[in-house]
Amino acid sequence: AQKITQTQPGMFVQEKEAVTLDCTYDTSDPSYGLFWYKQPSSGEMIFLIYQGSYDQQNATEGRYSLNFQKARKSANLVISASQLGDSAMYFCAMRESLGNQFYFGTGTSLTVIP
Amino acid sequence: DVKVTQSSRYLVKRTGEKVFLECVQDMDHENMFWYRQDPGLGLRLIYFSYDVKMKEKGDIPEGYSVSREKKERFSLILESASTNQTSMYLCASRSQAFTRKQETQYFGPGTRLLVL
Repeated sequence: AQKITQTQPGMFVQEKEAVTLDCTYDTSDPSYGLFWYKQPSSGEMIFLIYQGSYDQQNATEGRYSLNFQKARKSANLVISASQLGDSAMYFCAMRESLGNQFYFGTGTSLTVIP
Repeated sequence: DVKVTQSSRYLVKRTGEKVFLECVQDMDHENMFWYRQDPGLGLRLIYFSYDVKMKEKGDIPEGYSVSREKKERFSLILESASTNQTSMYLCASRSQAFTRKQETQYFGPGTRLLVL
């Protein structure tokens, strides 16, 4: 079974609008961490935001927030006030408590339309 | 700032050639990783290393080997390159500290390999 599922291969959003990128995960480990990364066309992976499984509040980092619904095993990324520079691939990833490995989803390609 | 460097951004090789991809990190991280990235498949783990001379197979180790002789350097080796190994290769590193659960993996800029 896939550890991380991203069901949106591509998304479009109007500039200045908000957009939600979906991510669901599968683990039986009660302690885990969820990460989101941005990958522009240049190729580098940029860390955006982290959510721990025991964190009481949803993580926020500037225009990025994570809508964490533990019972549903979802960790959706919300980007507010989209900018043209937000056009990129976005990856959701998970790390379980005792492992070194990160599990990545297949990514969502976001295009911001002027 | 953590810095992870990869020896080449772009590489073109012939089928059957032996290919070395080098990765160096400057943060004294115990863990280092090699991924390949293909459209629609995301990042798939090839190998990772948790210490010098230690390695673990990831999800797709076939056709690859690795070497970690020094803590800062992790090499990916394609013994006999094939066209289906044309891909983007990403190296990453991370500390071993389990208390810092929020710590990300730090990625290199990637190597786009074309095997003809």
